[in-house]
Amino acid sequence: AQKVTQAQTEISVVEKEDVTLDCVYETRDTTYYLFWYKQPPSGELVFLIRRNSFDEQNEISGRYSWNFQKSTSSFNFTITASQVVDSAVYFCALSERTGGSNYKLTFGKGTLLTVNP
Amino acid sequence: AAGVIQSPRHLIKEKRETATLKCYPIPRHDTVYWYQQGPGQDPQFLISFYEKMQSDKGSIPDRFSAQQFSDYHSELNMSSLELGDSALYFCASSLQRREQFFGPGTRLTVL
Repeated sequence: AQKVTQAQTEISVVEKEDVTLDCVYETRDTTYYLFWYKQPPSGELVFLIRRNSFDEQNEISGRYSWNFQKSTSSFNFTITASQVVDSAVYFCALSERTGGSNYKLTFGKGTLLTVNP
Repeated sequence: AAGVIQSPRHLIKEKRETATLKCYPIPRHDTVYWYQQGPGQDPQFLISFYEKMQSDKGSIPDRFSAQQFSDYHSELNMSSLELGDSALYFCASSLQRREQFFGPGTRLTVL
C-alpha cells in the first residue's frame, strides 16, 4: 500500500520568509503521480501541481517551487517570500492506479502553514 | 473556466436520517471521485466512477451508496446517519489520469 508522510504538522513563519514543506512517499508502482493541494481556511482544496514519476525536473511557478527527488522518494514544496495569504493547510498526495483510467489519491496528513505579518 | 459544482454546500441532519449529496463534474471529465474529510483530518477516498461505471471503492460504509447518471453528475446517498459522519465531503473530477479538481465541498453536520 502506498503512503505519504508530511512530518511537519505545523509551521509558523513571518511574512517574507522562505518556507519548505516536506513530503516523503512510499509506493511499489513504477508509474505514479504526485500532487500538492492547498486548503485555505474557507475549506476548498486548490490544485497546485502534478508531477509524474518519470519527470524529475524541478518546477517553479512564481513564488512556488517544487523539488522532486526519486532517489529519496521526496517531493518538497518551497514558498519564497511568504505572504499572509499563503496561510493554509497544504496536502501532498500520491495517486495509485485503481483500474482503467482511475487514479485515487492518497493524502498526507497535511501541514498547517501560518504566515504572520 | 467551469469548476466542479457540489450541492448543497451545508447540510444539517439528525441521527438516523438520510442525506443526498450532489456533484456536477467539469464538462468532458470522465472520472468522478468522492472523498470524506473529518475535522482536522486528511481527505479519505470513498468511491469513484469512470464513464458512469463504479470503478473503485475505498473506506465507504455500507450505509453509503453512490451512482453516476447519464449526464455525468453523481450523487452520494447516506442513510442511518451517525454523529461520526459529520465531515466535509468533496467531489472531484478528472480527465483520464490527469489532476483531480475538487469541488467546494459539502459540510455535513449530524446532530
